[in-house]
Amino acid sequence: KAGVTQTPRYLIKTRGQQVTLSCSPISGHRSVSWYQQTPGQGLQFLFEYFSETQRNKGNFPGRFSGRQFSNSRSEMNVSTLELGDSALYLCASSLSGVGNQPQHFGDGTRLSIL
Amino acid sequence: QKEVEQNSGPLSVPEGAIASLNCTYSDRGSQSFFWYRQYSGKSPELIMFIYSNGDKEDGRFTAQLNKASQYVSLLIRDSQPSDSATYLCAVNLRGGADGLTFGKGTHLIIQP
Repeated sequence: KAGVTQTPRYLIKTRGQQVTLSCSPISGHRSVSWYQQTPGQGLQFLFEYFSETQRNKGNFPGRFSGRQFSNSRSEMNVSTLELGDSALYLCASSLSGVGNQPQHFGDGTRLSIL
Repeated sequence: QKEVEQNSGPLSVPEGAIASLNCTYSDRGSQSFFWYRQYSGKSPELIMFIYSNGDKEDGRFTAQLNKASQYVSLLIRDSQPSDSATYLCAVNLRGGADGLTFGKGTHLIIQP
């Protein structure tokens, strides 16, 4: 069974640009969550999507947005990039949601802002 | 008080010994608890999850949960150098409304 697939693996952008990251969950998993990982803050929750609807949202500015498609694939968009957005962005999928289901992470997208 | 708290380490354990990793959490109503292992430069890998008070064993790993004390731990028996990694404790605080809340992780070093 294929795991969670994230693309691209690495990305370099400049301040002010925007970026879109993609995540394909494990087959049969309907919940996709996004996290940001930085050395200082650790892993922080961005948002969760289930059945194409945002179900939960973390404490991030509106520049961070996402969506989920009917095949459960998800995209995350960050607009007007700032230096502080440099991080590892992780996608995790689970069968039915964050509540009590184990989440499985993809390899992540490492975003660097110049 | 941090919502999910772990000792950052490093925790140094001799090969073959038992490594004990601890985690405390703030929300008494939390129901689900997870341990992830993260090697340097890699993504977190799920190794254990536990929902009920008591112990849960899987191979060399044992997760222990005490909801009354708001405490969850991970024991690694017969520690191997390949167990050297950062171990992240994750809790679904407030029913997961804020996603999984992670501790900052404990850096474990197994000495050959």
